[in-house]
Amino acid sequence: AQKVTQAQTEISVVEKEDVTLDCVYETRDTTYYLFWYKQPPSGELVFLIRRNSFDEQNEISGRYSWNFQKSTSSFNFTITASQVVDSAVYFCALSEDAGTYKYIFGTGTRLKVLA
Amino acid sequence: SAVISQKPSRDICQRGTSLTIQCQVDSQVTMMFWYRQQPGQSLTLIATANQGSEATYESGFVIDKFPISRPNLTFSTLTVSNMSPEDSSIYLCSVINLSYNEQFFGPGTRLTVL
Repeated sequence: AQKVTQAQTEISVVEKEDVTLDCVYETRDTTYYLFWYKQPPSGELVFLIRRNSFDEQNEISGRYSWNFQKSTSSFNFTITASQVVDSAVYFCALSEDAGTYKYIFGTGTRLKVLA
Repeated sequence: SAVISQKPSRDICQRGTSLTIQCQVDSQVTMMFWYRQQPGQSLTLIATANQGSEATYESGFVIDKFPISRPNLTFSTLTVSNMSPEDSSIYLCSVINLSYNEQFFGPGTRLTVL
């Protein structure tokens, strides 16, 4: 069965600190997709990144970077030089079956960036 | 990505009543999804809404409680029937870019049942 674990319920950092959000997944499929979404206080879910299981290259987008490691079934998300606007709940998700396109979401990590 | 709108954005309802939530997309999409996010919780998939066929419900969700319509490729509705306080949640619709398996979400409908 597929499962996504975000063990960090809540993290608080001071502005300009770097912070890493952990995501560990379980799947029996060899083909799958991993995602990160941001949910600010307004409630809307914002798509951040998609990664397929065949692409283990790390990705950087501005202050955001993602580290995908199949050996440890992890897809961690790092924010460099955090800002107050980064305060949100971040969800990691897994899509295992391309035919149904179902997503399994982790429980989310609430990030608070203090000024 | 598609532009997705939901109506209403929020509502407060009485126990035993029903509420229909609308989801409108600015482009034609094959698959639409409805999720529930209970207070402080993660997202749980309610059902997949496909145009021209009945919705496919996930375990724990039934059509009598959450009837879904999908009259065309840009619109869907979710009804929360015979509501109880336990139905208080954010309900979100999403659409998927099939080429990349990327889902994009509407702004959500925040429902409070008294």
